[in-house]
Amino acid sequence: DQQVKQNSPSLSVQEGRISILNCDYTNSMFDYFLWYKKYPAEGPTFLISISSIKDKNEDGRFTVFLNKSAKHLSLHIVPSQPGDSAVYFCAAGSSGSARQLTFGSGTQLTVLP
Amino acid sequence: GAVVSQHPSRVICKSGTSVKIECRSLDFQATTMFWYRQFPKQSLMLMATSNEGSKATYEQGVEKDKFLINHASLTLSTLTVTSAHPEDSSFYICSARVPGHYEQYFGPGTRLTVT
Repeated sequence: DQQVKQNSPSLSVQEGRISILNCDYTNSMFDYFLWYKKYPAEGPTFLISISSIKDKNEDGRFTVFLNKSAKHLSLHIVPSQPGDSAVYFCAAGSSGSARQLTFGSGTQLTVLP
Repeated sequence: GAVVSQHPSRVICKSGTSVKIECRSLDFQATTMFWYRQFPKQSLMLMATSNEGSKATYEQGVEKDKFLINHASLTLSTLTVTSAHPEDSSFYICSARVPGHYEQYFGPGTRLTVT
């Protein structure tokens, strides 16, 4: 049972344009959401997070939006740069589960120069 | 800040031998560390949660006698793959959580190949 889903395995975007990565979840107990970026043969790098009490969090070029009623979150990258090309994982956690994280399957973002 | 190291980065071993992987939080104390496994083109699969000074909590389907976890200090957790077999070949990644927070910071991973 996939509690966190990233339905798009890949996404290609032109440099300078906006990249929008989507993530859906099913567990209503999740109260914290995170995005990680991963290059091949490396560990994931934490990008940005959002608590369930918020609907938006922004950090530089990265913005995460949370729609609790739809159980959906998205990561916006503006403007996209070739160095952003990587696999992006969304993750969710709940205070009731010792703050373990459940990861989605990832989306490969390719930013074309 | 929040740097996690992992050693070795790559190891090749023969079937039947044991391999130890170390995970260290370099600039913070981590009461909780996590061990993940990633298969090619798949997501991160949580294997176990490692708590300093207590036994690790293993996820369903993960053999605790095969994947020994020790978290002897606030900055070090080790994963030992015992009697390794080719099907244990994978990318193993550890993470450490800043106390009181959700964010986990990951090590660079260890590529294990069992021949």
